[in-house]
This record gives sequence, structure tokens and C-alpha cells, in this order.
Amino acid sequence: KAGVTQTPRYLIKTRGQQVTLSCSPISGHRSVSWYQQTPGQGLQFLFEYFSETQRNKGNFPGRFSGRQFSNSRSEMNVSTLELGDSALYLCASSLSYGESSPLHFGNGTRLTVT
Amino acid sequence: GQNIDQPTEMTATEGAIVQINCTYQTSGFNGLFWYQQHAGEAPTFLSYNVLDGLEEKGRFSSFLSRSKGYSYLLLKELQMKDSASYLCAVSPSGRYIPTFGRGTSLIVHP
Repeated sequence: KAGVTQTPRYLIKTRGQQVTLSCSPISGHRSVSWYQQTPGQGLQFLFEYFSETQRNKGNFPGRFSGRQFSNSRSEMNVSTLELGDSALYLCASSLSYGESSPLHFGNGTRLTVT
Repeated sequence: GQNIDQPTEMTATEGAIVQINCTYQTSGFNGLFWYQQHAGEAPTFLSYNVLDGLEEKGRFSSFLSRSKGYSYLLLKELQMKDSASYLCAVSPSGRYIPTFGRGTSLIVHP
């Protein structure tokens, strides 16, 4: 079974631009979460989707948005990029929507904003 | 909210045993995860503890004390490939989204 796939692996953008990241979960997984990982802050939760509905949202500005499609694939968008948005963006899927469901992470998209 | 503490970095010798601690303070608690993340790779699930006590999985064991807000990951017979970051994550009750600690970078040397 294929793992979680994130594209692209690397991105370089300029301040003020926008970016869209894509995530394909493990087949059969309906819950998709997004995290931002930086050396200083660790893994910070962005949002979580289940059956195309955003169920939870972290403390990030409105420039960060996402969506989930009927096939469970998900995208996140960051508009008006800032230098501080440089980070590794990780997508994770889980089989069910529950407190004990382990997350299966993709290898991430490394975003650099210049 | 949640507050999770774990050491930033630890070093150990190949073949030895190392214990990585994690303390947490949370308004609601369901369970605690441990993940392993090698440099440049995705975090991978190691364990999930809900009840107090020790759970063993091969060379890795995880312990939880709910009353003390404390967990540890025990790695035995260390190998060079165990050099990685170990992330502790608390699953709060009713919210389904785990909160991660900043991770402990473990360096195993010969």
C-alpha cells in the first residue's frame, strides 16, 4: 500500500506570492491533517479534514487555508507569503477520526520564502 | 491548552540503553504518542499509551503515568540507525488532534 504522498518536495517562492501544496493520503484514509515544522517551534498543527469538512483548525492566520476533495486528497494554500513561512509542511492521514488513531506522515514539502 | 516538555538533545553509545522523558500538562488527556523522525524524513509512529504502565515492542518500550503527567521512551541495544528525533505527542480528550513536543534529538555514537 502506498504511503502518504506530498508534492512538490521542494519549493522556492518570493515574499508576497502564493503557494499550493498537495497531499494524497493512504488509500482508505479519510482524515488528513497538516502541520508546519520548524526548528524553533517543532510541529505546529494547521488544520484537519475529514470527509471534505474542516474539523479542527490551529492558530494560524487566515492566509493559510486548505480543502479536501471527495477522494480524500487535500491541498493547502498559503497566500501573501512571508519570510517566516519558510518551513517543512507535513501532511498526515489516519484511518479513522478518533483520539487514538496514529498519524501516517508524508515526507513533506520544504518551502523556502526569499 | 497543553504544555509538553522533552529534552532537546541526548547522546548515547551504541549497544547501550537510553531513556527519553516527556512531561506534559494538559486540561484533558486521552493518551500519548511517540514518533520517530530521521533527518529529512517523515515522522513514523512508534507507540500509543492510554493506560498507566510499560508497553514493550521489541527494543523499544514506552511508559506512561497519567497521575504524574509523565512518559518515557526506552530504547535498548542502541544501534546507529536509532539516531533520530523522537517526538512526544499528547492526545487531548475530545479533540482528536495531538499536540507535539519539540522533539528530542538522539545521537548514537560508536
